[in-house]
Amino acid sequence: GQQVMQIPQYQHVQEGEDFTTYCNSSTTLSNIQWYKQRPGGHPVFLIQLVKRGEVKKQKRLTFQYKKKKKNSSLHITATQTTDVGTYFCAVALYGGATNKLIFGTGTLLAVQP
Amino acid sequence: ETGVTQTPRHLVMGMTNKKSLKCEQHLGHNAMYWYKQSAKKPLELMFVYNFKEQTENNSVPSRFSPECPNSSHLFLHLHTLQPEDSALYLCASSQNGGYGYTFGSGTRLTVV
Repeated sequence: GQQVMQIPQYQHVQEGEDFTTYCNSSTTLSNIQWYKQRPGGHPVFLIQLVKRGEVKKQKRLTFQYKKKKKNSSLHITATQTTDVGTYFCAVALYGGATNKLIFGTGTLLAVQP
Repeated sequence: ETGVTQTPRHLVMGMTNKKSLKCEQHLGHNAMYWYKQSAKKPLELMFVYNFKEQTENNSVPSRFSPECPNSSHLFLHLHTLQPEDSALYLCASSQNGGYGYTFGSGTRLTVV
């Protein structure tokens, strides 16, 4: 079945360093959503990208949808300890139902104070 | 509180038991979902309900039986589970049209 890979699987940074996670699919995508799951918690919706080349920002978070519509990235500037958690992308396949999301493998971010 | 409530939060059951997980959403959404989250695996979509009709069954074994009596409630009936079914079971809801999901806090299931 369809797989959505994220790299890296795990990243350990010092507080204040930047962080980027990449979401890759082998097939053309429709919408991409990003979620954050704190340790012991549940996924929380962050943002949705729908247009080729789209870039959206939420404070220190920058989300980008690449032009070929097969991958996306999430960049955090100057990480803080509150950024700790697993970041998932979730994709709807091109031509597929928008209410059927396939989640990526996730990137676990650890931030050392 | 996210607007999606799951009970129980934790469940330990034997392989011969029958139990049910409950999910309720107070957001007026028309789609509801069950996901399974195991250690070191991506979230796995199990079932999708749209206006209380099942629109997706992602090759889930029959020992998992969903029920959606209305757009606000979703159940997952469990029977004769295996230890490998131990996982976090997450319920989510959304509006149709490509909106973000709202997840519940999940039920941590342990099968012994």
